[in-house]
Amino acid sequence: DVKVTQSSRYLVKRTGEKVFLKCVQDMDHENMFWYRQDPGLGLRLIYFSYDVKMKEKGDIPEGYSVSREKKERFSLILESASTNQTSMYLCASSLLAETNSPLHFGNGTRLTVT
Amino acid sequence: GQQLNQSPQSMFIQEGEDVSMNCTSSSIFNTWLWYKQDPGEGPVLLIALYKAGELTSNGRLTAQFGITRKDSFLNISASIPSDVGIYFCAGQNRDDKIIFGKGTRLHILP
Repeated sequence: DVKVTQSSRYLVKRTGEKVFLKCVQDMDHENMFWYRQDPGLGLRLIYFSYDVKMKEKGDIPEGYSVSREKKERFSLILESASTNQTSMYLCASSLLAETNSPLHFGNGTRLTVT
Repeated sequence: GQQLNQSPQSMFIQEGEDVSMNCTSSSIFNTWLWYKQDPGEGPVLLIALYKAGELTSNGRLTAQFGITRKDSFLNISASIPSDVGIYFCAGQNRDDKIIFGKGTRLHILP
């Protein structure tokens, strides 16, 4: 069974802090993704990665960066947290893009920026 | 860009009733996926559909991949309290990003 583990379920940070959201998957998946989920807006893709050291911008990358140092780890970084980044953050992984493999999600990190 | 229209946005039903929700798109997809998200949790894959016309069941859930490849539906039979949550459809093409619908929030009245 695929397991995607996000390091924190709940986080409270102050405006201006640098925030790291960590995600680990144990199924040797090549692809990893970060989404944020907001009421009425659904799931929006922030960044994704198809390989180690590789990253691509999603639909809403502004204010975020990512790190993929190892195949199993994909971290989302908020360089200077702002209140409009209060949201539910979801990490996901899948096999190679060409296999049309579905995404497997972690349990989410609910981030509050005060 | 590609968009999925998922309906209804929310549903209030009595326990035991059947449920039906659907997704439509102006674009064709090679894969349709249905996820469920319980409150405070991440989405969990329910059913994956890979072929136009395919009808797949998972317990009380049945999903179909539309013949035109532009739509899919999900049915839940004899709903129970643990069916409460948000159901997301998603369309996917090879070598392309997955596109999500905005979700159908299912409420079950006591």
